[in-house]
Amino acid sequence: EVQLVESGGGLVKPGESLRLSCAASGFNFNNAWMSWVRQAPGKGLEWVGRIRSKSDAGTTEYAAPVKGRITISRDDSKKTLYLQMNSLKTEDTAVYYCVTESADDAFHMWGQGTMVTVSS
Amino acid sequence: QSALTQEASVSGTVGQKVTLSCTGNTNNIGIYGVGWYQQISHGAPKTVMFGHSLPSGIPDRFSGSKSGTTASLTISGLQPEDEADYYCSTWDNSLNGWVFGGGTKLTVL
Repeated sequence: EVQLVESGGGLVKPGESLRLSCAASGFNFNNAWMSWVRQAPGKGLEWVGRIRSKSDAGTTEYAAPVKGRITISRDDSKKTLYLQMNSLKTEDTAVYYCVTESADDAFHMWGQGTMVTVSS
Repeated sequence: QSALTQEASVSGTVGQKVTLSCTGNTNNIGIYGVGWYQQISHGAPKTVMFGHSLPSGIPDRFSGSKSGTTASLTISGLQPEDEADYYCSTWDNSLNGWVFGGGTKLTVL
């Protein structure tokens, strides 16, 4: 069974940092392209960034609102995806989902999400 | 302002066929496949269609299509459990990122 389990969310103050983790199981994580997608309270889904598989150079791309403040990385030996967020803003408050990308130009499997609240 | 445009709300009765649309442009839907995601009561989204493929466990009353820069998700034989928010997404090569529609709230009357 495919599982994606996010952790690391919580309450932080503006300007602080937070690292989210996503533990994967049930599929070949090493070959997977992975994304983070977020959803602010009462709002729609928003893509945050992605990381390709190591065999596809492991390169990253980030959405404009977070570029320069976040880093996505992966540890294939631990089957874990990470999202390092720095200089957090109140508008970063959202549920953050870890998602696999399919070859059909779509997202496939979703985690249950972890809530990040940025507030003074 | 979402890159992809979806109806804000759609409703239908049990057993009816409903179609949700997702409109983009030549930088996104015009050249890439589209995914559709179901979100019930603000829980985690679930993929109900990617490209023309049904994920495992999704009933075949769900189907997807695309024409030009508009994609559609059709639910044939609407069921009460289909009531949810539905989002579409695809890659955008001018933004160099994934884009989503604003979501459609589907109500089953």
